[in-house]
Amino acid sequence: DAGVTQSPTHLIKTRGQQVTLRCSPKSGHDTVSWYQQALGQGPQFIFQYYEEEERQRGNFPDRFSGHQFPNYSSELNVNALLLGDSALYLCASSFAGGEQFFGPGTRLTVL
Amino acid sequence: AQSVTQPDIHITVSEGASLELRCNYSYGATPYLFWYVQSPGQGLQLLLKYFSGDTLVQGIKGFEAEFKRSQSSFNLRKPSVHWSDAAEYFCAVALSGGYQKVTFGIGTKLQVIP
Repeated sequence: DAGVTQSPTHLIKTRGQQVTLRCSPKSGHDTVSWYQQALGQGPQFIFQYYEEEERQRGNFPDRFSGHQFPNYSSELNVNALLLGDSALYLCASSFAGGEQFFGPGTRLTVL
Repeated sequence: AQSVTQPDIHITVSEGASLELRCNYSYGATPYLFWYVQSPGQGLQLLLKYFSGDTLVQGIKGFEAEFKRSQSSFNLRKPSVHWSDAAEYFCAVALSGGYQKVTFGIGTKLQVIP
């Protein structure tokens, strides 16, 4: 079992650009959640996807959007990047509201 | 809205000494409580969790935590710290049942000195 995988590992973008991050959930999991972890902070919940629908959303602007595919994998899209979007983006998967398993994250740097 | 407070941003302990990391939560309902550990450049690993029942829960790597409802606390303990325990520790809370939106504290960075 590969666990939760994320790609890419690192990413550098400039202000105003758009970025797409990818997540493959743990085998058997149907729910994917995304978190943003700024430097020196705890992870903050962005949103959660289940059955290809956004089920819950945290306090993030509409520039942050996502998608879940029929195979349960997920993408996080961020438009019009700001310097403050620089962070580690964590994906977590779960099944039926159970324990969340976290991936290693994608480190996004916005210059 | 739920919130988690970890009052100690940074803690230094000697190898072999005991450890206690503090966590207080604010939540109206019965919470699900978690402790995660994050090593540099790594994702989050679940150390232990409390949903209900015995208020003293055992986790991996020799860690335990005690849920005290009267104090709204869920402190993490380890009787003897190893150098490999140096990492950042996050306390977290989630809704009891239903969706698992997890709210994290700011984290406590643990340094272990020989």
